[in-house]
Amino acid sequence: DSGVTQTPKHLITATGQRVTLRCSPRSGDLSVYWYQQSLDQGLQFLIQYYNGEERAKGNILERFSAQQFPDLHSELNLSSLELGDSALYFCASSVTPGSNEQFFGPGTRLTVL
Amino acid sequence: QKEVEQDPGPLSVPEGAIVSLNCTYSNSAFQYFMWYRQYSRKGPELLMYTYSSGNKEDGRFTAQVDKSSKYISLFIRDSQPSDSATYLCAMSGMRETSGSRLTFGEGTQLTVNP
Repeated sequence: DSGVTQTPKHLITATGQRVTLRCSPRSGDLSVYWYQQSLDQGLQFLIQYYNGEERAKGNILERFSAQQFPDLHSELNLSSLELGDSALYFCASSVTPGSNEQFFGPGTRLTVL
Repeated sequence: QKEVEQDPGPLSVPEGAIVSLNCTYSNSAFQYFMWYRQYSRKGPELLMYTYSSGNKEDGRFTAQVDKSSKYISLFIRDSQPSDSATYLCAMSGMRETSGSRLTFGEGTQLTVNP
């Protein structure tokens, strides 16, 4: 158990809908990262937050957004969902914003029907 | 071409075998190299973390980095059925105070047969 928690574990929704994924980092970690894992694209970096501020951005779609709250938990919002958004979404955390030692949560499996 | 290439396998070995897992990369800026283990339907677990070229050993696991060849390896000695998982290599550029992102290989699926 990495200490990173994610909810929900599974999410099934329809195309065009909006969902919110939640992540709580390990105790003491200030930086949160979001990754998407799909069969065709592998594990890809989406976005990073540190102490409430966006620090790095990857191949995140405009339909997706994230934020980190004062209590350091983070939410990833996915809107206008498409079939291709079906994937595992992982949150990771680290102590510092430049750390490469990132600890992953159990993930949220999103299925878009 | 992908920045990080990793043979997806599957790789099947008998218990006790030495396993060799490899990744190649094209981005010369990569300085930090990680290996993650991912069990089915679980989150990736950090196994090894190395900086620049050289070897690092941790129990039955040895990570090697050859920056001149842009090639990294993970060796597992005395493999056990519990090592059956997908192994992902990950890489990152210079450590920055502003932010960090990992670039992953697609993972190699390993099965260790009793």
